[in-house]
Amino acid sequence: GQQVMQIPQYQHVQEGEDFTTYCNSSTTLSNIQWYKQRPGGHPVFLIQLVKSGEVKKQKRLTFQFGEAKKNSSLHITASHPRDSAVYICAVDPGGSQGNLIFGKGTKLSVKP
Amino acid sequence: SQTIHQWPATLVQPVGSPLSLECTVEGTSNPNLYWYRQAAGRGLQLLFYSVGIGQISSEVPQNLSASRPQDRQFILSSKKLLLSDSGFYLCAWNGLANTEAFFGQGTRLTVV
Repeated sequence: GQQVMQIPQYQHVQEGEDFTTYCNSSTTLSNIQWYKQRPGGHPVFLIQLVKSGEVKKQKRLTFQFGEAKKNSSLHITASHPRDSAVYICAVDPGGSQGNLIFGKGTKLSVKP
Repeated sequence: SQTIHQWPATLVQPVGSPLSLECTVEGTSNPNLYWYRQAAGRGLQLLFYSVGIGQISSEVPQNLSASRPQDRQFILSSKKLLLSDSGFYLCAWNGLANTEAFFGQGTRLTVV
């Protein structure tokens, strides 16, 4: 079945450093979504990427969808302690069911 | 606007006791509904999803069951809890295929 891998699993950075997490799929995707889950909280939708090679920005966050629509990245510039969270990608392998497949997430810890 | 309610927020249950977690959605019709479990330090595991009343698909064999008695109500149940059922249970919904998922606040279940 559809597999989605996220790397790295954990990342510790100092405040002000950049951070990147990657999401890789074995098959071509219809779209990919990114979520942020703060400690003790629930996942919150950040963004959806649909087009091949698409790049979207939200302030210090940059999201990219690969040309082959099999991978995606989330890059945070100048990280801040409030960025500490688990960043989770979710893929839609296609079809009409809307059954998203979530990655295991990358846990980011930003030290002040 | 759409909202999702999930309760209780925390639950401590003895091994062998029954379980009933309820999730309701407001402000939308015919949503896709999901139950996920997130074990400590692990990713989101899809347990059940439903595309309509009485339609339940199970992703992982286990001693849990789900029911959808009404369009916007999704219930997760167990007749006898196991220690391994401990975890963070999240209800979610999305609309048409490829749309973002909205999560409830989650239920932290501890089986003792």
